[in-house]
Amino acid sequence: SAVISQKPSRDICQRGTSLTIQCQVDSQVTMMFWYRQQPGQSLTLIATANQGSEATYESGFVIDKFPISRPNLTFSTLTVSNMSPEDSSIYLCSVEQTGGNNEQFFGPGTRLTVL
Amino acid sequence: LAKTTQPISMDSYEGQEVNITCSHNNIATNDYITWYQQFPSQGPRFIIQGYKTKVTNEVASLFIPADRKSSTLSLPRVSLSDTAVYYCLVGGPPGAGSYQLTFGKGTKLSVIP
Repeated sequence: SAVISQKPSRDICQRGTSLTIQCQVDSQVTMMFWYRQQPGQSLTLIATANQGSEATYESGFVIDKFPISRPNLTFSTLTVSNMSPEDSSIYLCSVEQTGGNNEQFFGPGTRLTVL
Repeated sequence: LAKTTQPISMDSYEGQEVNITCSHNNIATNDYITWYQQFPSQGPRFIIQGYKTKVTNEVASLFIPADRKSSTLSLPRVSLSDTAVYYCLVGGPPGAGSYQLTFGKGTKLSVIP
């Protein structure tokens, strides 16, 4: 199994600012994923982050709004840029271990509130 | 990607067996079925995965009929701590570089004392 930590656990931000969320894994993994979960809703995939290449974004999400870094096999960041109240949500990172059974391990999430 | 449909919510009394069914009519031949559990303020957690017939582990059983167009997660003798949202995902196969990344709406299970 993989243990994932996220920083910050929560934040309250002003409209128009940006927040960078960090995701740290205790083992080396090839694929990391970033999700958004709005209150009372299901998870929506934002992007897939593969070490050494550009992130792949899902429909409705763009790099300018959600830039992602993946500098090594244990770390990734997601930045929420030029925030608006509609960006208030929980942001989760997950990993899938290479050669595993498709099981994803999730971080605890970052609860973002934009005023 | 196969779309999944689950009941939005279910209620159960403590000690009862709970069965949550997920429909996935357009499941592909190589797809596996995976269930996750999510507690409030936590990320989802893997429960069980299967391809066909029945799979059982220490926390749940997964029943998949021959046509694989649905699957049923069975939780034996639920307790209050089983109150959570349960998600069914379809995709795979495992280890082949394909991923199960589409979460449906999930089923909110409420266990009543």
